[in-house]
Amino acid sequence: EVQLVQSGAEVKQPGESLQISCKVSGYNFFRYWIGWVRQMPGKGLEWMGIIYPGDSDTRYSPSFQGQVTISADKSISTAYLQWSSLRASDTAMYYCARDPGWGDGFDYWGQGTLVSVSS
Amino acid sequence: QSALTQPASVSGSPGQSITISCTGTSSDVGGYNYVSWYQQHPGKAPKLMIYKVTDRPSGVSDRFSGSKSGNTASLTISGLQAEDEADYYCLSYTVSGTVIFGGGTKLTVL
Repeated sequence: EVQLVQSGAEVKQPGESLQISCKVSGYNFFRYWIGWVRQMPGKGLEWMGIIYPGDSDTRYSPSFQGQVTISADKSISTAYLQWSSLRASDTAMYYCARDPGWGDGFDYWGQGTLVSVSS
Repeated sequence: QSALTQPASVSGSPGQSITISCTGTSSDVGGYNYVSWYQQHPGKAPKLMIYKVTDRPSGVSDRFSGSKSGNTASLTISGLQAEDEADYYCLSYTVSGTVIFGGGTKLTVL
């Protein structure tokens, strides 16, 4: 059974760093793209970026380039989304999702990680 | 990179059919047959309903269908049911190697 299990909710202050995770099971982590999607409170879905763990090919939305870092650890089948300095505007639900092949859409999704940033 | 354009809301009565449009450019929707559609109920993760414009994942009702003409893709739901009430998002891969969502459409079943 394919599963994407995300790390738990986070409450942070502006300026702090953060890394959230997405641990996958049930398939070969190396062979599928993993993307990250932001959903701000009451708003729509925004594609942030994507990584192919097999060769670490990583692509970012222009809106998020330089604002976050996407990475993957093949040894533990886990993808990460990282911030070096959070802002209040980063408050959102973040989802990871699997793309079985470039262009195939995102067929499995994590449960989401709620990040709250407030002073 | 602006979001793909979707109507903010659509509505229909049970048993009717509705269509949600998703308009982009020749660099995304019109450039590839890589459009997918997602259903999201409140408080839940999105669910893939259509991929590669017309393909349906296993387990998705055949009441859901997709199409594309030029720079506009469409999702049609036939035989509307109360459980179809949700937010729907289109997504397209782009010629520049990125991905973009539509702004989302709220479907109300009257």
